[in-house]
Amino acid sequence: EVQLVESGGVVVQPGGSLRLSCAASGFTFDDYAMHWVRQAPGKGLEWVSLISWDGGSTYYADSVKGRFTISRDNSKNSLYLQMNSLRAEDTALYYCAKDMDSSGWYDYWGQGTLVTVSS
Amino acid sequence: EIVLTQSPATLSLSPGERATLSCRASQSVSSYLAWYQQKPGQAPRLLIYDASNRATGIPARFSGSGSGTDFTLTISSLEPEDFAVYYCQQRSNWSGTFGPGTKVDIK
Repeated sequence: EVQLVESGGVVVQPGGSLRLSCAASGFTFDDYAMHWVRQAPGKGLEWVSLISWDGGSTYYADSVKGRFTISRDNSKNSLYLQMNSLRAEDTALYYCAKDMDSSGWYDYWGQGTLVTVSS
Repeated sequence: EIVLTQSPATLSLSPGERATLSCRASQSVSSYLAWYQQKPGQAPRLLIYDASNRATGIPARFSGSGSGTDFTLTISSLEPEDFAVYYCQQRSNWSGTFGPGTKVDIK
């Protein structure tokens, strides 16, 4: 059974930093690209970032480019999101999601970790 | 940037009725469109990918159609568990943008 478990979400002040983690199991982690997708409270879904299976390619939404860094450790079956210079508008539930065969579709999702940016 | 719009914003129907949800793209996305279902307090679930392919384990009452700029998700006969929010998503150049969602609620 595929499982994705996010962690690391907390309340942080504007301008602060945070690292989210996603522990993957139930599939061959290093065969698949992975994504972060976020959802602000009561709002819709926003794609945040993508990393290729080997970590060699990364992509970001314009809203986070230059502030967030996606990475992975295939030896630990883990995905990460380093978030710097956080803003109030980054407040959201952050999901990690597995890519379906490098298609850009998300076939498995975690339950999310909540990041709140507030003073 | 490709923008997706969904209509209607809310669809009020009874169990057993047919639901027809629309997604329109600001420019052609070919068949690169997916649909997700999200229930309160849950993560989204992939229903349809590449416009018309059902994801693993998705019941046959869910179907997708369309290409280019106009797409439709049809639920042939609503079950109680189908009342949820539905999002369409397109992928281009490795980024994926979502529509604002259609809420299907019980009439």
